Amino acid sequence: DAGVIQSPRHEVTEMGQEVTLRCKPISGHDYLFWYRQTMMRGLELLIYFNNNVPIDDSGMPEDRFSAKMPNASFSTLKIQPSEPRDSAVYFCASTIVAGDEQFFGPGTRLTVL
Amino acid sequence: SQQGEEDPQALSIQEGENATMNCSYKTSINNLQWYRQNSGRGLVHLILIRSNEREKHSGRLRVTLDTSKKSSSLLITASRAADTASYFCAMRLYTGGFKTIFGAGTRLFVKA
Repeated sequence: DAGVIQSPRHEVTEMGQEVTLRCKPISGHDYLFWYRQTMMRGLELLIYFNNNVPIDDSGMPEDRFSAKMPNASFSTLKIQPSEPRDSAVYFCASTIVAGDEQFFGPGTRLTVL
Repeated sequence: SQQGEEDPQALSIQEGENATMNCSYKTSINNLQWYRQNSGRGLVHLILIRSNEREKHSGRLRVTLDTSKKSSSLLITASRAADTASYFCAMRLYTGGFKTIFGAGTRLFVKA
């Protein structure tokens, strides 16, 4: 298996633009997690899905952020409109058993100017 | 905060020495995991210890868990330059669904 795949790896955009981050989990993994990592706040859980259904989105910072998982092999995290404070590395992770080992993707480094 | 706290924040040692990192947490946990993150990369799972376990080994890694003190330690023996990375503890909370909360991490630098 290729592991968790994220795209793009780097994204530079201007304030106010819409940003869409993509993730393909490992086949057979029922749980998918979106995290954000910054120097100031560390690694924060934004939202997680089980069998394509959002279970806990309490970490989503505000209404500008939305996430979907239309099928078992694809998820998106959208920021609209983007702001400079959204600049961070966004990770997607998947797992078979919730609460056990998570497999992380390489991350998307987002820079909002 | 329910996050774990790790210390030290940064650690610099010589190749061949042992490295010890500590993690403390505030609430009851189901398990505790350690991850490694190389610069610019995603996190990689190292080891998982369950709440009913006290010690676990994997190669050069040794993890201990003291639930009475709500703390864990990760020991890397005979460190190598390739061990240079950030190390995070992550706690699966006993309640609150299936969230895993990550600590702030320890940056380890192993000098060749």
